[in-house]
Amino acid sequence: GIQVEQSPPDLILQEGANSTLRCNFSDSVNNLQWFHQNPWGQLINLFYIPSGTKQNGRLSATTVATERYSLLYISSSQTTDSGVYFCAVGVSGGGADGLTFGKGTHLIIQP
Amino acid sequence: DTAVSQTPKYLVTQMGNDKSIKCEQNLGHDTMYWYKQDSKKFLKIMFSYNNKELIINETVPNRFSPKSPDKAHLNLHINSLELGDSAVYFCASQRSGANVLTFGAGSRLTVL
Repeated sequence: GIQVEQSPPDLILQEGANSTLRCNFSDSVNNLQWFHQNPWGQLINLFYIPSGTKQNGRLSATTVATERYSLLYISSSQTTDSGVYFCAVGVSGGGADGLTFGKGTHLIIQP
Repeated sequence: DTAVSQTPKYLVTQMGNDKSIKCEQNLGHDTMYWYKQDSKKFLKIMFSYNNKELIINETVPNRFSPKSPDKAHLNLHINSLELGDSAVYFCASQRSGANVLTFGAGSRLTVL
Protein backbone atom coordinates (compact mmCIF):
# COMPACT_ATOMS: atom_id res chain seq x y z
CA GLY A 1 0.00 0.00 0.00
CA ILE A 2 0.87 3.66 -0.14
CA GLN A 3 3.41 4.88 2.41
CA VAL A 4 3.00 8.33 3.94
CA GLU A 5 5.81 10.04 5.83
CA GLN A 6 5.39 13.27 7.71
CA SER A 7 8.09 15.53 9.07
CA PRO A 8 9.01 16.75 11.54
CA PRO A 9 7.35 14.37 14.02
CA ASP A 10 7.41 17.02 16.75
CA LEU A 11 7.65 20.79 16.63
CA ILE A 12 7.67 23.32 19.45
CA LEU A 13 7.34 27.01 18.56
CA GLN A 14 6.65 30.32 20.19
CA GLU A 15 3.45 32.16 19.43
CA GLY A 16 3.82 34.24 16.31
CA ALA A 17 6.29 31.93 14.59
CA ASN A 18 5.80 30.41 11.15
CA SER A 19 6.14 26.72 10.35
CA THR A 20 6.20 24.31 7.44
CA LEU A 21 5.02 20.72 7.75
CA ARG A 22 5.90 18.19 5.07
CA CYS A 23 4.17 15.09 3.75
CA ASN A 24 5.87 12.65 1.37
CA PHE A 25 4.00 9.79 -0.24
CA SER A 26 5.23 6.75 -2.09
CA ASP A 27 2.86 6.49 -5.05
CA SER A 28 0.61 8.55 -7.28
CA VAL A 29 -2.54 9.72 -5.55
CA ASN A 30 -5.62 11.64 -6.57
CA ASN A 31 -6.78 12.43 -3.07
CA LEU A 32 -4.74 14.28 -0.44
CA GLN A 33 -6.13 15.95 2.65
CA TRP A 34 -4.70 17.70 5.68
CA PHE A 35 -6.34 17.35 9.08
CA HIS A 36 -5.83 18.99 12.45
CA GLN A 37 -6.51 16.98 15.58
CA ASN A 38 -6.99 19.43 18.43
CA PRO A 39 -6.05 18.67 22.06
CA TRP A 40 -9.62 17.48 22.66
CA GLY A 41 -9.20 14.82 19.99
CA GLN A 42 -11.44 16.23 17.29
CA LEU A 43 -10.27 15.76 13.69
CA ILE A 44 -10.92 18.77 11.49
CA ASN A 45 -10.41 18.78 7.75
CA LEU A 46 -8.14 21.68 6.77
CA PHE A 47 -7.61 21.15 3.06
CA TYR A 48 -8.55 18.85 0.26
CA ILE A 49 -5.58 19.39 -2.01
CA PRO A 50 -4.57 16.61 -4.45
CA SER A 51 -2.59 19.22 -6.41
CA GLY A 52 -1.92 22.94 -6.50
CA THR A 53 -2.08 25.55 -3.76
CA LYS A 54 -4.85 26.67 -1.44
CA GLN A 55 -5.04 29.23 1.33
CA ASN A 56 -7.39 29.62 4.24
CA GLY A 57 -6.52 32.48 6.55
CA ARG A 58 -3.16 31.85 8.20
CA LEU A 59 -2.96 28.36 6.74
CA SER A 60 -1.96 27.40 3.24
CA ALA A 61 -1.06 24.14 1.54
CA THR A 62 0.76 23.14 -1.61
CA THR A 63 0.84 19.73 -3.24
CA VAL A 64 3.31 18.85 -5.98
CA ALA A 65 1.77 15.59 -7.15
CA THR A 66 4.48 14.82 -9.71
CA GLU A 67 7.10 14.93 -6.96
CA ARG A 68 4.87 13.19 -4.40
CA TYR A 69 4.90 15.69 -1.59
CA SER A 70 2.69 18.23 0.08
CA LEU A 71 3.47 21.13 2.41
CA LEU A 72 1.31 22.78 5.03
CA TYR A 73 2.27 26.32 6.05
CA ILE A 74 1.14 27.90 9.29
CA SER A 75 1.88 31.59 9.68
CA SER A 76 1.73 33.73 12.83
CA SER A 77 1.08 30.69 15.02
CA GLN A 78 -1.42 30.91 17.85
CA THR A 79 -1.74 28.61 20.86
CA THR A 80 -4.97 27.27 19.37
CA ASP A 81 -2.91 25.85 16.48
CA SER A 82 -1.47 23.26 18.87
CA GLY A 83 -2.32 19.65 18.17
CA VAL A 84 -1.45 16.95 15.69
CA TYR A 85 -1.47 17.61 11.95
CA PHE A 86 -2.14 14.64 9.72
CA CYS A 87 -1.64 14.21 6.02
CA ALA A 88 -3.83 11.53 4.41
CA VAL A 89 -3.69 10.24 0.86
CA GLY A 90 -5.65 7.91 -1.33
CA VAL A 91 -6.32 6.66 -4.80
CA SER A 92 -10.01 7.13 -5.25
CA GLY A 93 -11.97 5.50 -7.96
CA GLY A 94 -15.59 5.90 -7.05
CA GLY A 95 -14.81 7.73 -3.83
CA ALA A 96 -15.29 4.73 -1.57
CA ASP A 97 -11.62 4.02 -0.96
CA GLY A 98 -10.27 5.00 2.42
CA LEU A 99 -7.40 7.36 3.08
CA THR A 100 -4.01 6.27 4.36
CA PHE A 101 -2.78 8.52 7.13
CA GLY A 102 0.74 9.56 8.03
CA LYS A 103 1.87 9.42 11.64
CA GLY A 104 1.35 13.12 12.07
CA THR A 105 3.31 16.16 13.22
CA HIS A 106 2.75 17.04 16.87
CA LEU A 107 2.82 20.85 17.09
CA ILE A 108 3.03 22.74 20.36
CA ILE A 109 2.68 26.54 20.30
CA GLN A 110 3.90 28.15 23.50
CA PRO A 111 2.58 31.55 24.63
CA ASP B 1 -26.61 20.11 14.09
CA THR B 2 -23.71 17.67 14.39
CA ALA B 3 -22.71 16.40 10.95
CA VAL B 4 -21.25 13.04 12.07
CA SER B 5 -22.29 11.90 15.53
CA GLN B 6 -21.03 8.91 17.48
CA THR B 7 -22.27 7.32 20.66
CA PRO B 8 -21.07 6.65 23.23
CA LYS B 9 -18.19 9.09 23.56
CA TYR B 10 -16.60 7.00 26.29
CA LEU B 11 -16.91 3.28 26.89
CA VAL B 12 -15.23 1.32 29.69
CA THR B 13 -15.78 -2.42 29.78
CA GLN B 14 -14.30 -5.73 30.84
CA MET B 15 -12.37 -8.17 28.67
CA GLY B 16 -14.62 -10.68 26.98
CA ASN B 17 -17.65 -8.41 26.78
CA ASP B 18 -19.47 -7.44 23.58
CA LYS B 19 -20.08 -3.77 22.81
CA SER B 20 -21.37 -1.54 20.03
CA ILE B 21 -20.59 1.98 18.89
CA LYS B 22 -23.16 3.85 16.83
CA CYS B 23 -22.57 6.41 14.09
CA GLU B 24 -24.98 8.63 12.20
CA GLN B 25 -24.33 11.30 9.58
CA ASN B 26 -26.77 13.92 8.33
CA LEU B 27 -24.63 15.16 5.43
CA GLY B 28 -26.28 13.02 2.77
CA HIS B 29 -22.97 11.23 2.16
CA ASP B 30 -23.08 7.79 0.60
CA THR B 31 -19.84 6.39 2.01
CA MET B 32 -19.03 5.86 5.69
CA TYR B 33 -15.89 4.59 7.43
CA TRP B 34 -14.57 3.37 10.72
CA TYR B 35 -11.01 4.31 11.70
CA LYS B 36 -9.05 3.17 14.74
CA GLN B 37 -6.57 5.51 16.45
CA ASP B 38 -4.10 3.77 18.75
CA SER B 39 -2.22 5.15 21.74
CA LYS B 40 0.49 6.55 19.44
CA LYS B 41 -2.15 8.53 17.51
CA PHE B 42 -1.79 6.34 14.42
CA LEU B 43 -5.01 6.31 12.38
CA LYS B 44 -5.85 3.18 10.44
CA ILE B 45 -8.92 2.44 8.37
CA MET B 46 -11.01 -0.53 9.46
CA PHE B 47 -14.07 -0.57 7.22
CA SER B 48 -15.96 1.43 4.67
CA TYR B 49 -19.54 1.12 3.49
CA ASN B 50 -20.82 2.55 0.21
CA ASN B 51 -24.55 2.39 -0.31
CA LYS B 52 -24.76 -0.36 2.34
CA GLU B 53 -22.11 -2.46 0.64
CA LEU B 54 -18.80 -3.26 2.31
CA ILE B 55 -16.07 -1.87 0.09
CA ILE B 56 -12.95 -2.21 2.22
CA ASN B 57 -12.26 -4.68 4.95
CA GLU B 58 -8.67 -4.28 6.13
CA THR B 59 -6.88 -6.89 8.23
CA VAL B 60 -9.29 -6.52 11.10
CA PRO B 61 -10.18 -9.46 13.36
CA ASN B 62 -13.59 -10.93 12.62
CA ARG B 63 -14.59 -10.00 16.18
CA PHE B 64 -15.28 -6.60 14.65
CA SER B 65 -18.37 -6.34 12.49
CA PRO B 66 -19.79 -3.21 10.84
CA LYS B 67 -23.53 -2.99 10.45
CA SER B 68 -25.27 -0.42 8.26
CA PRO B 69 -29.09 -0.32 8.44
CA ASP B 70 -29.13 2.55 5.93
CA LYS B 71 -26.67 4.88 4.26
CA ALA B 72 -26.87 7.40 7.10
CA HIS B 73 -25.81 4.91 9.78
CA LEU B 74 -22.77 2.70 10.27
CA ASN B 75 -22.49 0.92 13.58
CA LEU B 76 -19.49 -1.03 14.87
CA HIS B 77 -20.04 -4.17 16.92
CA ILE B 78 -17.14 -5.79 18.76
CA ASN B 79 -17.32 -9.29 20.24
CA SER B 80 -15.11 -10.77 22.95
CA LEU B 81 -13.24 -7.56 23.67
CA GLU B 82 -9.49 -7.79 24.29
CA LEU B 83 -7.08 -5.42 26.01
CA GLY B 84 -5.56 -4.49 22.64
CA ASP B 85 -8.91 -3.20 21.43
CA SER B 86 -8.51 -0.17 23.68
CA ALA B 87 -8.32 2.82 21.35
CA VAL B 88 -10.30 5.73 20.00
CA TYR B 89 -12.65 4.73 17.20
CA PHE B 90 -13.63 7.37 14.67
CA CYS B 91 -16.53 7.28 12.29
CA ALA B 92 -16.21 9.33 9.10
CA SER B 93 -18.21 9.96 5.98
CA GLN B 94 -17.77 11.40 2.50
CA ARG B 95 -19.71 11.86 -0.69
CA SER B 96 -18.44 9.77 -3.59
CA GLY B 97 -16.48 11.97 -5.96
CA ALA B 98 -16.23 14.92 -3.55
CA ASN B 99 -13.64 13.16 -1.40
CA VAL B 100 -13.63 15.56 1.56
CA LEU B 101 -13.69 13.34 4.63
CA THR B 102 -15.69 14.45 7.69
CA PHE B 103 -15.00 12.81 11.05
CA GLY B 104 -17.12 12.28 14.11
CA ALA B 105 -15.82 13.24 17.54
CA GLY B 106 -14.54 9.75 18.32
CA SER B 107 -15.44 7.05 20.84
CA ARG B 108 -12.80 6.20 23.41
CA LEU B 109 -12.95 2.48 24.28
CA THR B 110 -11.11 1.21 27.34
CA VAL B 111 -10.96 -2.53 27.96
CA LEU B 112 -9.98 -3.56 31.49
